[in-house]
Amino acid sequence: DVKVTQSSRYLVKRTGEKVFLECVQDMDHENMFWYRQDPGLGLRLIYFSYDVKMKEKGDIPEGYSVSREKKERFSLILESASTNQTSMYLCASSTTGGRNQPQHFGDGTRLSIL
Amino acid sequence: GENVEQHPSTLSVQEGDSAVIKCTYSDSASNYFPWYKQELGKRPQLIIDIRSNVGEKKDQRIAVTLNKTAKHFSLHITETQPEDSAVYFCAESRDDKIIFGKGTRLHILP
Repeated sequence: DVKVTQSSRYLVKRTGEKVFLECVQDMDHENMFWYRQDPGLGLRLIYFSYDVKMKEKGDIPEGYSVSREKKERFSLILESASTNQTSMYLCASSTTGGRNQPQHFGDGTRLSIL
Repeated sequence: GENVEQHPSTLSVQEGDSAVIKCTYSDSASNYFPWYKQELGKRPQLIIDIRSNVGEKKDQRIAVTLNKTAKHFSLHITETQPEDSAVYFCAESRDDKIIFGKGTRLHILP
């Protein structure tokens, strides 16, 4: 069974801090994704990656960056956290080809920016 | 911008009745349509998916239909039970990424 692990379930940070959200998957999946989930807005794609050291912007990349130094790990970085980045963040992975392959999600990180 | 339209946003049905959630999309090149269920405080999980070469797929009480001409697809849950209460997301696969609808909160009434 695929396991996608996010480092924290809950996180509280202050405005202006640099924040790292970590995600690890154990199924050797090529593709990894970061979403944020807000009430009434569904799941919005921030960034995704199809291979080590590769990254692609999603629909809402502003204020975020990512890092994929190893295949199993995909990090989301908030360069200078702001209150409008308070949200639930979900990581997902899938096997080769984002098209036609289901995504497997982590439990999410609920991030609060004060 | 490009998105998947999902309706209704909230749905309440009596236990034992059927529930239907509908989604529309715009890109005729989309060819994969998964549905996810998210229970309160838990991760989204795939419950059923359909590919563009079929019009209907069924798994026990859950079925999905796809009309490629009209660009819409639907989730049908029959004989609803309390454990069906959750948020359901439709999605389409386009340009090597999956685009999600905004979700439907399903309430099963006793």
